[in-house]
Parts: sequence; C-alpha cells; structure tokens
Amino acid sequence: GAGVSQSPSNKVTEKGKDVELRCDPISGHTALYWYRQSLGQGLEFLIYFQGNSAPDKSGLPSDRFSAERTGGSVSTLTIQRTQQEDSAVYLCASSPPSGGGWKQFFGPGTRLTVL
Amino acid sequence: SQQGEEDPQALSIQEGENATMNCSYKTSINNLQWYRQNSGRGLVHLILIRSNEREKHSGRLRVTLDTSKKSSSLLITASRAADTASYFCATDANSGNTPLVFGKGTRLSVIA
Repeated sequence: GAGVSQSPSNKVTEKGKDVELRCDPISGHTALYWYRQSLGQGLEFLIYFQGNSAPDKSGLPSDRFSAERTGGSVSTLTIQRTQQEDSAVYLCASSPPSGGGWKQFFGPGTRLTVL
Repeated sequence: SQQGEEDPQALSIQEGENATMNCSYKTSINNLQWYRQNSGRGLVHLILIRSNEREKHSGRLRVTLDTSKKSSSLLITASRAADTASYFCATDANSGNTPLVFGKGTRLSVIA
C-alpha cells in the first residue's frame, strides 16, 4: 500500500514569509508525528497527534510553529514569519494503533530553505 | 533534546567487512529502535529491541541492548555498498505510540 507522503518535496521561501507543509499518513494510522532535521543532525521532535486526543506540542520551538490534523488523517505544519534558522528537512511519520509494534513509518520529508 | 549518542559519527569500511555502530542513551527506556536514512530523507525502520531483550537478529543485522550500561550496538555483517547510509538509534520512555528521541546518527560508507 501507499506509504507516508509529504508535499512539497522542496520549498524555498524568503525570510518573513509563511509556509505550509503537508503530510498524508498511512491510512488507518492513528499516530502522526512531525520532526525536524537540521544538516548533519539527528531528528528533533516537534509535535505529535494521537487519535482524537489533544496534540503534544511540547517540541515546537516557538509560537511561529503550529500544526493541525484534520479528520484524523492529513496534517499541515505551518511556520509563520519564517527565519533562516528554520531551514531544515521536515519529516512526518505515522504509526499504527497500539499493538502495531510502535515502529514509525516516515515520509520522504520536505526540505525547507529560508533565504 | 537528543538522548542518544551514536558512535562513531562516521565509519568507512570495505565491502564484505562488518560494521558496528554504538548508541548510548541517558534515561530508562521502553524500547530502542534503529533506523536507516539515505540521502538525508525519510527514515526506514530496521529493528526494534525491547528493554527486556538482550539481542535480536534480522537478516544481516544484529542488535544488542545493555540496559545496565544504557547502550546498544548495531552490527551489519558482510556489508554491501548499498548499506551506505546514516544509521540512527531512537528511544522511547513510554509504552505505546510516543515520539521517539533520536541520536545524531552514524554515517556509514561502504566502499566497493
């Protein structure tokens, strides 16, 4: 079946502009995660959705970052007033309901470049 | 913040040799996972080892876990050029689907 998809694959924007990144998780996966990876670094957790529960936003670096998940499926990560330090690869992952082994399935990522 | 630290940061070996990567973490875990990443893009899950397990095998992969030392190792036997990638360990402290804490990764280069 289809894996996790993300769009766009690459995004170049100017400092101060808003950007929206999209993630389509695997159908039936109840958990959805957003991570950020700066060049040569590991993944940094941003936000986590689990079913209908309130999202865990503890990883968001500032109030310029927000995310929503509509209908328990597609998620959008929004970065307002982008800064150069926001440049990174933004990775989305999903995982099946509890008992699925807890491994996460990653999308290909969106490479964001803020000029 | 990152919990895991992989060691070495970079490893270069000849095709056919074994590659060993290590991961240390700081807090108690529920399980530890290893992921592979090609070209700085999406990660692929390789193997998961639970906190009550000491060793696990999957094909050419062997993972060990020492909870007393808070460390894990990933061994890739008979490496191939296609194994060239970055390898990350990831931990979670709670059961169920929770965010993972990733290390910075080991960049493996397998030379044909």
